[in-house]
Amino acid sequence: QQPVQSPQAVILREGEDAVINCSSSKALYSVHWYRQKHGEAPVFLMILLKGGEQKGHDKISASFNEKKQQSSLYLTASQLSYSGTYFCGTEDVDSGGGADGLTFGKGTHLIIQP
Amino acid sequence: DSGVTQTPKHLITATGQRVTLRCSPRSGDLSVYWYQQSLDQGLQFLIQYYNGEERAKGNILERFSAQQFPDLHSELNLSSLELGDSALYFCASSVSVNTGELFFGEGSRLTVL
Repeated sequence: QQPVQSPQAVILREGEDAVINCSSSKALYSVHWYRQKHGEAPVFLMILLKGGEQKGHDKISASFNEKKQQSSLYLTASQLSYSGTYFCGTEDVDSGGGADGLTFGKGTHLIIQP
Repeated sequence: DSGVTQTPKHLITATGQRVTLRCSPRSGDLSVYWYQQSLDQGLQFLIQYYNGEERAKGNILERFSAQQFPDLHSELNLSSLELGDSALYFCASSVSVNTGELFFGEGSRLTVL
C-alpha cells in the first residue's frame, strides 16, 4: 500500500527549514528517501531501518518512528539546490527486508526561492 | 551520471502497438528494477530481476513483461498499448537482491497516441 506524504507541496525562502512527512498503514521495515529534480532521475538520499534510527548528511536528516509507522525528512537552512520532488519509499515488515521492491509515495514538491 | 543506461529516451507510438525498453545496469549490479512514473500516481514498482531471475512483482499489467539476460541487461516489453500507458519508465539497479540504494537511469518517456 502506497505511503502517504505530506505536505504535497511547499514553497520556502532560502535559509528556511522544511519537514516532509511519510506515513504508512503497515508496519514498516525500512524507509528510503529520494530526491528528483525536474527532468532528472530520482537520486538516493538515505535509508532508515526499523529501530528509530535517525540519519543525516549535510543539512538533510531523517527520523523513523516504527511504532507510528512514520518517517520525517528534515531540511535545515534550505539551499536553492534542495528544490525538487522528494519521495519516500517503504518496505513493510511482511516483506522482511527482502526483495519486494519499494512502494513510493506520490512525492512532495519543494520549491526554494532566493 | 548514475551508470544506468536506458534506451530509447523518448518513444512515440500508437495505441495497440508494442514497444521494448532497454536497460543496462551499473557495472557489478545484479538487481534491476522497473518503475512507471505518471503525474497522478508517482513512482509505481513494476518488477524486479536479480541475476536473471524474477524476484518480485508489483503492479505490472499482464500486457507488460520483462526479462533479464545473462549479460544482466534488462528489457521491458509493453504490448497492446493504451493511452493510459503513456508515462516515464525508469530502470534502477542495485548491488544486492535486497532493496538497498537504487541507482536510477534517466528514464524512457513513452507517449501513446
